[in-house]
Amino acid sequence: QLVLTQSPSASASLGASVKLTCTLSSDYSTYAIAWLQQQPEKGPRYLMKLNSDGSHSKGDGIPDRFSGSSSGTERYLTISSLQSEDEGDYYCQTWGTGIRVFGGGTKLSVL
Amino acid sequence: QVQLHESGPGLVKPSETLSLTCTVSDGSISSYYWNWIRQPPGKGLEWIGYIYYSGSTKYNPSLTSRVTISVDTSKNQFSLNLSSVTAADTAVYYCARDCRKLGSSTFCDGMDVWGQGTTVTVSS
Repeated sequence: QLVLTQSPSASASLGASVKLTCTLSSDYSTYAIAWLQQQPEKGPRYLMKLNSDGSHSKGDGIPDRFSGSSSGTERYLTISSLQSEDEGDYYCQTWGTGIRVFGGGTKLSVL
Repeated sequence: QVQLHESGPGLVKPSETLSLTCTVSDGSISSYYWNWIRQPPGKGLEWIGYIYYSGSTKYNPSLTSRVTISVDTSKNQFSLNLSSVTAADTAVYYCARDCRKLGSSTFCDGMDVWGQGTTVTVSS
């Protein structure tokens, strides 16, 4: 069964870096995912597509501070030089034939 | 840049049918898959289902008995009907675009375009 697992929360200081993790269920290590950002009281915003080999393609206007990487079934989102507006929820999302799946989301606090 | 806009009643009575429409502007509905997603208050995102512009659909198994998604290509719109609603269906409902079909191949980058969302409350 295609499942995405995310830690519920993360925190990091202003100006620092943070790495968020999304884990695919074990049979799906070749799957790509997408990362989405949801700032408080706003709708989701597309950040990037992240492939199993770590290559990624970002959405329009997404700053260079956002990058992605992969290892096995894990997909990572790294945000560097954290700013206050990076605070919010981050979701991973994937797809298969006839199915779309979201992770439970990680709430990022910028201290 | 393509834009999506959800519309429909903000209040629905229990046991009735929730109906929403998503209008696609500054772009064509053709060749893409179009999704409905919802987010209950304080919770995460839940995929409801998708429709391909030609009309083929797939639904979340947990909702399939109550969901119908349809498309009107002449109006560049697709719609959601959710029947027999209860308070548990109270949520912000979003529409979003994802995969694209070119010939026999499908290309997916994830849900890259989203509407702003519309809040639906189920209450008598």
